[in-house]
Amino acid sequence: DAGVIQSPRHEVTEMGQEVTLRCKPISGHDYLFWYRQTMMRGLELLIYFNNNVPIDDSGMPEDRFSAKMPNASFSTLKIQPSEPRDSAVYFCASSSGTGLTTKTQYFGPGTRLLVL
Amino acid sequence: AQTVTQSQPEMSVQEAETVTLSCTYDTSESDYYLFWYKQPPSRQMILVIRQEAYKQQNATENRFSVNFQKAAKSFSLKISDSQLGDAAMYFCASVLTYGNKLVFGAGTILRVKS
Repeated sequence: DAGVIQSPRHEVTEMGQEVTLRCKPISGHDYLFWYRQTMMRGLELLIYFNNNVPIDDSGMPEDRFSAKMPNASFSTLKIQPSEPRDSAVYFCASSSGTGLTTKTQYFGPGTRLLVL
Repeated sequence: AQTVTQSQPEMSVQEAETVTLSCTYDTSESDYYLFWYKQPPSRQMILVIRQEAYKQQNATENRFSVNFQKAAKSFSLKISDSQLGDAAMYFCASVLTYGNKLVFGAGTILRVKS
């Protein structure tokens, strides 16, 4: 399996611009998670989906952030408008709710976002 | 609420030696999973090892093993025959069997000296 795929790997944008991060989970996984990692706050769970349905978005910092999962193989995290404090590494992870590796989250390579 | 604590911000080990990274956690639940993830400079989060709380036997993966003490709520990671490629940030994490939120510790930076 190809693992979790994220794009872009790096993104540099200017304050006020819209940013869209993309994720393709591992085939067959029914859970998808979006995390943000910063030096100050460590790893934070932003939102997670089960079978394409958002289950918990309590970690989404504010209305500027939105996430969608239109189908089992694709999810997006959008920031509009972006601000310098959004600069971070954003990870997507997926897991299966059943089987020998249940609950194990497999992470993508991350997207390093810099907002100038 | 679950919490995970890694009390060692940084550790060093000589190549080929053994090092143990500490992790304690707190939960009122009895069913959960515990994990160690490695994050090298590339920033990729790599699963190192996992442990189901209901299993008494400590998990092992090649040079990596854990010491799981359920009563003490302790889950330490032992790395044997340390290699330069083991240098990374290591995160301890837990998730409830009936939940999905992975709770992470603050991480321990491991430096390997040649």
